[in-house]
Amino acid sequence: AQKVTQAQTEISVVEKEDVTLDCVYETRDTTYYLFWYKQPPSGELVFLIRRNSFDEQNEISGRYSWNFQKSTSSFNFTITASQVVDSAVYFCALSKMYSGGGADGLTFGKGTHLIIQP
Amino acid sequence: DGGITQSPKYLFRKEGQNVTLSCEQNLNHDAMYWYRQDPGQGLRLIYYSQIVNDFQKGDIAEGYSVSREKKESFPLTVTSAQKNPTAFYLCASSPWTAQIMNTEAFFGQGTRLTVV
Repeated sequence: AQKVTQAQTEISVVEKEDVTLDCVYETRDTTYYLFWYKQPPSGELVFLIRRNSFDEQNEISGRYSWNFQKSTSSFNFTITASQVVDSAVYFCALSKMYSGGGADGLTFGKGTHLIIQP
Repeated sequence: DGGITQSPKYLFRKEGQNVTLSCEQNLNHDAMYWYRQDPGQGLRLIYYSQIVNDFQKGDIAEGYSVSREKKESFPLTVTSAQKNPTAFYLCASSPWTAQIMNTEAFFGQGTRLTVV
């Protein structure tokens, strides 16, 4: 069975501070994908990043960066110089990887509500 | 523009009534999914379909039913057997081919169902 744990239910920081959202996962699969999604108040989930299990390189995209550590089963997300527009619920998710194509849904964490105060 | 359309955005239902949530996509994706979101619970998979005329139960399928008669459409029926149907429902789709290893799912804007 797969499981994703986001231990931080809510985080509140002041604008321009850096903030890290934690994600720890469990899976018996040797190959898998990890995702981060953003859910603004409108409700739609916005895709941020996908990493596969054999690529542990950290990734940076503007103010966003992700740290994938297979040894600790963690896939943490850092926002540098946070802005009010970053306020949202952020979800970490996990899915199996099918070499021949396939999809059977994502396993989500419970989400972290990030509040950026001006 | 390509995307996923869910309708209606808000839905009210009386106890004991079935209700159907619509989900349409024009992304030419093979796989479609329904998730349920409750406050503080994250998203949980209800049903998914990898191909037309075929679908599989997810983690919380009891009290729900789906159909997949067309590639573009994956409606979800919340039946009277669902004990606690008030929730936010999200539909998603993703490619499913040998050439594209499952990429991220694209989500609709959701339907908020309230039982009154």
